[in-house]
Amino acid sequence: GAGVSQSPSNKVTEKGKDVELRCDPISGHTALYWYRQSLGQGLEFLIYFQGNSAPDKSGLPSDRFSAERTGGSVSTLTIQRTQQEDSAVYLCASSHRTSGYVLPNTGELFFGEGSRLTVL
Amino acid sequence: AQSVTQPDIHITVSEGASLELRCNYSYGATPYLFWYVQSPGQGLQLLLKYFSGDTLVQGIKGFEAEFKRSQSSFNLRKPSVHWSDAAEYFCAVDPITGNQFYFGTGTSLTVIP
Repeated sequence: GAGVSQSPSNKVTEKGKDVELRCDPISGHTALYWYRQSLGQGLEFLIYFQGNSAPDKSGLPSDRFSAERTGGSVSTLTIQRTQQEDSAVYLCASSHRTSGYVLPNTGELFFGEGSRLTVL
Repeated sequence: AQSVTQPDIHITVSEGASLELRCNYSYGATPYLFWYVQSPGQGLQLLLKYFSGDTLVQGIKGFEAEFKRSQSSFNLRKPSVHWSDAAEYFCAVDPITGNQFYFGTGTSLTVIP
């Protein structure tokens, strides 16, 4: 597609349920990021995928959070046993960016419109 | 520690007035620098970016930013603000090495008629 697509755009769930959020990046982008944005807050890094390399999971807040990226394209962020503090907007971004000083490095992130998660 | 600082949480300007949003970063080398804008309920849209070369970069919607190495700053400017510019603005840094982009906490812009 022309841009980064995320689904669902809105998700309301009950505490303790599992949720899956999907991200379809821009075709050809090897880098894919997930961020979390809580109300009135900045962006919190969650996880980074680069090609076929092992993902950087250093931002995942707990073991209830996991993500995968199939075939180097679509990514799914899964939150198990959701808690009220998980309520936030989850943003996905993709990029041509590569790690390190590899040029050309167009670098910029292209964001989807986010998935707003509300845990009751 | 690596960080991106946007010292102004909220700014209010009158329509037609000039605007400057501040951004400072702390990294060892010159990173790549970005400004993004986020309208309510939307994702982030790139306004402009600095990779190298001319330190004054032009972006979309009439925005520009100036990279000042000596001050580790990348301030965003617009000579005349329009009501449609009301949004959240994020400064972002790509240290180039490593995986992460780092975002500031954002500056919320209100435009009054």
